Amino acid sequence: QKEVEQDPGPLSVPEGAIVSLNCTYSNSAFQYFMWYRQYSRKGPELLMYTYSSGNKEDGRFTAQVDKSSKYISLFIRDSQPSDSATYLCAMGMGLGANNLFFGTGTRLTVIP
Amino acid sequence: EAQVTQNPRYLITVTGKKLTVTCSQNMNHEYMSWYRQDPGLGLRQIYYSMNVEVTDKGDVPEGYKVSRKEKRNFPLILESPSPNQTSLYFCASSPTSGREGEQYFGPGTRLTVT
Repeated sequence: QKEVEQDPGPLSVPEGAIVSLNCTYSNSAFQYFMWYRQYSRKGPELLMYTYSSGNKEDGRFTAQVDKSSKYISLFIRDSQPSDSATYLCAMGMGLGANNLFFGTGTRLTVIP
Repeated sequence: EAQVTQNPRYLITVTGKKLTVTCSQNMNHEYMSWYRQDPGLGLRQIYYSMNVEVTDKGDVPEGYKVSRKEKRNFPLILESPSPNQTSLYFCASSPTSGREGEQYFGPGTRLTVT
């Protein structure tokens, strides 16, 4: 079983839709949770970073963490064609960059 | 501009011919890492470095070497590349302890080994 499971999609939605992206994990030692966005032919870029259970909002993006269910989500409101990318969840359990685990990514296309 | 740079961006080589992919960051970050990204497998860490002269293996280190002689540079060396090392490679850096998840990735190097 992988440490982090992410539905690979692909996911295709019309412009303006609400998008929900999800990851589950098995290790309760994970302490911080990230979402990265990766455009085609580019490196991933950090989108959201959370430390605790609950919601964190940044503009049209909301990251949600449920540690009791070992489940994290990223919601995108009023989705735009520029949101078309692959979204990677990631999580870490402590000190050191060697303790990061990434999901395989969900490919999202927003249709104008 | 704060960034991580990698060179080359694209490389086609033959089995057994030694190659080096360079990585440099201008953000004075302590941590640097190398990842490979393969379809269905996601990002997997090859090696990481917590500071100058301090390196350690990640999840998939076999067939790779690294060195960290300067804080800003972290080259990835393939002494004898094989076709199973065909992949998309990313270098990343991150700030000090407590913000390790804040990875800054380079643009990627697409390597093909024939």
